[in-house]
Amino acid sequence: GAVVSQHPSRVICKSGTSVKIECRSLDFQATTMFWYRQFPKQSLMLMATSNEGSKATYEQGVEKDKFLINHASLTLSTLTVTSAHPEDSSFYICSAYSLSGNTIYFGEGSWLTVV
Amino acid sequence: QQQVKQSPQSLIVQKGGISIINCAYENTAFDYFPWYQQFPGKGPALLIAIRPDVSEKKEGRFTISFNKSAKQFSLHIMDSQPGDSATYFCAARDNFNKFYFGSGTKLNVKP
Repeated sequence: GAVVSQHPSRVICKSGTSVKIECRSLDFQATTMFWYRQFPKQSLMLMATSNEGSKATYEQGVEKDKFLINHASLTLSTLTVTSAHPEDSSFYICSAYSLSGNTIYFGEGSWLTVV
Repeated sequence: QQQVKQSPQSLIVQKGGISIINCAYENTAFDYFPWYQQFPGKGPALLIAIRPDVSEKKEGRFTISFNKSAKQFSLHIMDSQPGDSATYFCAARDNFNKFYFGSGTKLNVKP
């Protein structure tokens, strides 16, 4: 299947700082990427839909000023958690839509710990 | 309101047995139904998928059964192995390419 790379896989940051997570589609172009948050033993919670060259669409209840999403190219989307707080600690996963495969492929996820 | 309902929440199966996970949906606009397998600490991986014009799809030990009239679909894992122990998510895609996920089923295959 297609490969989606997410980086970093684990990051620890201090409260009040910002952290950026990258999501890359390695072998296909993705006009649409999705960002999810997953709490332990729970399902995926869609945070936002990222479209290349346009503003992201955020789900209800997700703060767009806190979770900045940029989709600057057809293979890269970034999620920046600004002014991080301990409650932002979570597993963040991206997925990318493959037009040729007509499906989405997930990255490996990024563990964020805010101390 | 959850668009895709998944059951059971957890499942224990003996090695060699059949694992069955069920999902139900309401939105008739859904046109694509994938299943994902997720190991702890990893992102979900696409396992198998089906479109509503097909009633069954089989890939190796994994089979999706799809009942369009009942708006239900299920994943069957034949000859379940300990390595199949993971969390499984069903999903459905709407006509805006938005994916909705079930709540997940944690499968434990005992040796």
